[in-house]
Amino acid sequence: QKEVEQNSGPLSVPEGAIASLNCTYSDRGSQSFFWYRQYSGKSPELIMFIYSNGDKEDGRFTAQLNKASQYVSLLIRDSQPSDSATYLCAVSAFSGGYNKLIFGAGTRLAVHP
Amino acid sequence: KAGVTQTPRYLIKTRGQQVTLSCSPISGHRSVSWYQQTPGQGLQFLFEYFSETQRNKGNFPGRFSGRQFSNSRSEMNVSTLELGDSALYLCASSLGRGAMGGHEQYFGPGTRLTVT
Repeated sequence: QKEVEQNSGPLSVPEGAIASLNCTYSDRGSQSFFWYRQYSGKSPELIMFIYSNGDKEDGRFTAQLNKASQYVSLLIRDSQPSDSATYLCAVSAFSGGYNKLIFGAGTRLAVHP
Repeated sequence: KAGVTQTPRYLIKTRGQQVTLSCSPISGHRSVSWYQQTPGQGLQFLFEYFSETQRNKGNFPGRFSGRQFSNSRSEMNVSTLELGDSALYLCASSLGRGAMGGHEQYFGPGTRLTVT
C-alpha cells in the first residue's frame, strides 16, 4: 500500500465549477498536510497546509482534514483554466526527532472553458 | 525574501561522468531536502540535511550523496551517471524544526539533468 494515495486523474471540470481533489494516507502518526500545485515543466508550489482537523480556507482554496479517516482534500472554488495543473498531496510525520515529507503521485486537474 | 535557488538549471552529461548540483535555501531556513522527479516515478525523496547533518535518507544507491555547509547551502553529487538518472532534481528548504509547523517546504526551480 502506498503511503500517500491520490487519484491520478485527469479530473476535468468546467470553468467556474468546484474542483475536489482527494488524498488518503496510511501513517496515523502524520501531523502536517500540504498541497502543492505543479505546472508542467515547473517546480511544485506550496498552496495550502493544514495541521488540525476541519477546514482551512485561503481565497478560492479550502483544505479539509479528517485524521480519523486519514483523509485530506483540497477544494478549488470558481475553477479557472489557469488552475489546470498537477496537484500534489504531501504528508509529514514526526518520528524519532525528525520530520519526513511523503508525496503522493499527484492528480492532474484540467479546467475547460 | 529571495526564494530557493538552484544551479545550474540545465545540464547534459554522458554516462559514467559525475555531476554536482547546488541549492541555496531561503534565508533563515536550515533544512534542505533533495528530490528526483521523473515522469514514471513521480517525486522521489533523496535526502534531507539540517544544520550540516543528514537526518533522513531515501532509497537511492550510494552514487547519490550530498552535503550541507554552515551557511545552509547544499550540494548533491551523483557519481558514475546512468541513463536512468536523467530527471528533474529539486531541492526544497524549510525551517525544519518543531513537531508542528515550520516544516513547510518551498521548492527551487530545479536542475534538469540529461544523461546521454
